[in-house]
Amino acid sequence: SQELEQSPQSLIVQEGKNLTINCTSSKTLYGLYWYKQKYGEGLIFLMMLQKGGEEKSHEKITAKLDEKKQQSSLHITASQPSHAGIYLCGATTGTYKYIFGTGTRLKVLA
Amino acid sequence: DGGITQSPKYLFRKEGQNVTLSCEQNLNHDAMYWYRQDPGQGLRLIYYSQIVNDFQKGDIAEGYSVSREKKESFPLTVTSAQKNPTAFYLCASSIGSRGSYEQYFGPGTRLTVT
Repeated sequence: SQELEQSPQSLIVQEGKNLTINCTSSKTLYGLYWYKQKYGEGLIFLMMLQKGGEEKSHEKITAKLDEKKQQSSLHITASQPSHAGIYLCGATTGTYKYIFGTGTRLKVLA
Repeated sequence: DGGITQSPKYLFRKEGQNVTLSCEQNLNHDAMYWYRQDPGQGLRLIYYSQIVNDFQKGDIAEGYSVSREKKESFPLTVTSAQKNPTAFYLCASSIGSRGSYEQYFGPGTRLTVT
């Protein structure tokens, strides 16, 4: 069973539009990580969230972790073609193990 | 520049041959990991190492082997016992292995076995 559920699985948006990707767990998360991957390449670390209610921003990307630390969202404002790729959420549950969602494939139409 | 390197980027092998994938990091990280990525399945943990000369099996270790003789190196051998070895393999490292430490990933190796 997938421990981290991501939605949507894929997303196509027009350039300039805002979008949100969600990541949900049935367990309380120790740390929540967002990564971006271009097809056939490694994962690029975007942001880490640890505290319930925490929010972080980097350029036009904002990530939030809910108070219960079971759900996170990644929001992109005014999307650009450079935002296209696969976004994955990852998490730690207090042990050595990292778990990952299956990814959201984002396409931005110019 | 600090980072993780994986080589080669593409690898082709005949069925029945063992093959070793390289992973090197100069981030001075203690923990290193190997993942396999297949379409629609996310990342699955093959092996991880928390410290030199120590490593543990992950969720899908069968048919794979690793070594950790040096802090900066964590090679993965895909043996002929691995029934479905064609996949994209990712190596990662983190400062520690318990708690909240982000992982840094290499560029990956795509292995094709025919």
